[in-house]
Amino acid sequence: EAGVAQSPRYKIIEKRQSVAFWCNPISGHATLYWYQQILGQGPKLLIQFQNNGVVDDSQLPKDRFSAERLKGVDSTLKIQPAKLEDSAVYLCASSTQGAEAFFGQGTRLTVV
Amino acid sequence: KQEVTQIPAALSVPEGENLVLNCSFTDSAIYNLQWFRQDPGKGLTSLLLIQSSQREQTSGRLNASLDKSSGRSTLYIAASQPGDSATYLCAVRTTSGTYKYIFGTGTRLKVLA
Repeated sequence: EAGVAQSPRYKIIEKRQSVAFWCNPISGHATLYWYQQILGQGPKLLIQFQNNGVVDDSQLPKDRFSAERLKGVDSTLKIQPAKLEDSAVYLCASSTQGAEAFFGQGTRLTVV
Repeated sequence: KQEVTQIPAALSVPEGENLVLNCSFTDSAIYNLQWFRQDPGKGLTSLLLIQSSQREQTSGRLNASLDKSSGRSTLYIAASQPGDSATYLCAVRTTSGTYKYIFGTGTRLKVLA
């Protein structure tokens, strides 16, 4: 069974630039999560989708972050404009509702 | 609001020691609790999942226990090896309709050869 795929693995951008991350969940998983993990901290949920609908985006900085999950499969997370404090690992995970979640390898973003 | 705390933040032990990592949470109304391992620069690997009705789970040298009433879980690693060096994260899953994970800050483990 293929795992959760994320790309790119690494990204370096200058502050005020924009960036997008892509996630392909495990086939058949209706729930998709995006987490932000700042160095030395635990992952923090940014947004959770159930199929193509948002069920929790309470911690998403909506002035600069956006996410979509068209057709209820792949998802993209965008940051525009990026700030230095956005430097982190962005993790995508998927699951069937209420079941164990599987995480991707993450995208490491460095904002300089 | 659910909060998850892990103690200690870092731990260094000689090879062969048995060790215990601790996780505490403030709201006992959880769906399940999961322990993850994270190697530097990598994603999360699931180690053990304990449902809210269970008391413990075992996999090889790993044993995780859950005491919902006291808001605690422990991860026991027997006969530690240098390959066990990693960050260990505890996450609780809420019972609300979103079933989201709330993570602790992790314990960074180093096993010395």
